[in-house]
Amino acid sequence: AQSVTQPDIHITVSEGASLELRCNYSYGATPYLFWYVQSPGQGLQLLLKYFSGDTLVQGIKGFEAEFKRSQSSFNLRKPSVHWSDAAEYFCAVGAADSWGKLQFGAGTQVVVTP
Amino acid sequence: EAGVAQSPRYKIIEKRQSVAFWCNPISGHATLYWYQQILGQGPKLLIQFQNNGVVDDSQLPKDRFSAERLKGVDSTLKIQPAKLEDSAVYLCASSLFGLAGGSTDTQYFGPGTRLTVL
Repeated sequence: AQSVTQPDIHITVSEGASLELRCNYSYGATPYLFWYVQSPGQGLQLLLKYFSGDTLVQGIKGFEAEFKRSQSSFNLRKPSVHWSDAAEYFCAVGAADSWGKLQFGAGTQVVVTP
Repeated sequence: EAGVAQSPRYKIIEKRQSVAFWCNPISGHATLYWYQQILGQGPKLLIQFQNNGVVDDSQLPKDRFSAERLKGVDSTLKIQPAKLEDSAVYLCASSLFGLAGGSTDTQYFGPGTRLTVL
């Protein structure tokens, strides 16, 4: 069965600084990987997803993520953070043999300071 | 395009009471999911429907939770009787392709229902 670890529970970053959120997965074959963002009182919004091909994936809101098979990682990055990026971020993994069933990490809370 | 709708947004009940949540997926989406998100945790899949049939309910506590998706559109999730540990946000999601899309099918989430059990 697949699993996801987000090592950082909470990250504080200054507005304009870069942001990197870590995600490590465990799965025997090639996983399908997702990053979602959840703002207070809102549902989850898909930022980006990786299925195959180019390991650097571009998403919405200026986010990108890089799939590194050798490190079992799918880290999310943004070069310059805006105050509106304050939210909780979830990494999720799906698998071809567990169709539609996503395993989510525990999330990373991002706080943006002026 | 309208998103996934859920109601109510908030619900407070006493333990041992019953509660029901409603979800209206994006029009035309074949697959509907119910997730439970406990504070400090990521969402956990409870049940997955393909049209009006159940695909996966392996993590649904069937002694107290039930769900249905009549006519393959709206869905309701019920808890009877509720326990303190059921306090959570219940998220509904839908996806377009269902079986044809496999795990690459994108899930779109509603705003959730926050349940507090006292």
